[in-house]
Amino acid sequence: DTGVSQDPRHKITKRGQNVTFRCDPISEHNRLYWYRQTLGQGPEFLTYFQNEAQLEKSRLLSDRFSAERPKGSFSTLEIQRTEQGDSAMYLCASSLGGVLYGYTFGSGTRLTVV
Amino acid sequence: DQQVKQNSPSLSVQEGRISILNCDYTNSMFDYFLWYKKYPAEGPTFLISISSIKDKNEDGRFTVFLNKSAKHLSLHIVPSQPGDSAVYFCAASAYNHHAGGTSYGKLTFGQGTILTVHP
Repeated sequence: DTGVSQDPRHKITKRGQNVTFRCDPISEHNRLYWYRQTLGQGPEFLTYFQNEAQLEKSRLLSDRFSAERPKGSFSTLEIQRTEQGDSAMYLCASSLGGVLYGYTFGSGTRLTVV
Repeated sequence: DQQVKQNSPSLSVQEGRISILNCDYTNSMFDYFLWYKKYPAEGPTFLISISSIKDKNEDGRFTVFLNKSAKHLSLHIVPSQPGDSAVYFCAASAYNHHAGGTSYGKLTFGQGTILTVHP
């Protein structure tokens, strides 16, 4: 197991298009998180799953954003009708619970909306 | 509403000396605190954590100190090495009620401090 994998690494899209990102967590991890990071800021929480259940969503997550984790394994984050303000690094992380042990982050997907 | 703040955007230290990175928070409900390190083009990497029932936690060259009354935590790196040059984020977690019950799911991050260790 090589850690948390995210695909694609980079995505350039035109404003108004839909994009979908994929995250494959560490296999035995039951929790999966999505964060967004913009330049000069720390990661901002978007949503998290425990197994296939989406337990919490940030108010940052507008109706244009949706995340799924079918069967409690990989997860997808979809952004519909992209806007320039959606340009950011989208980070996925996973954990086995136990916040003190930290979460393992992937390398992220950098989205550029032109 | 920035609940976790790192007021120093950057810190420059000589190799072998101590690096002290600071973080302040406003939410008294935070129970767990973590530090992450991030290199360019990589995701954040977990370094060290501390529970609010402790005031110090040590792991090798890294020590985290927590002052609950001041709502302040710091990360000490001794001795600093050039490979420590990275962006450091502090993060905090509170017990959350949500649709699935309660848990410490979400981390709130500070803005980060760029540490540069000069040889």
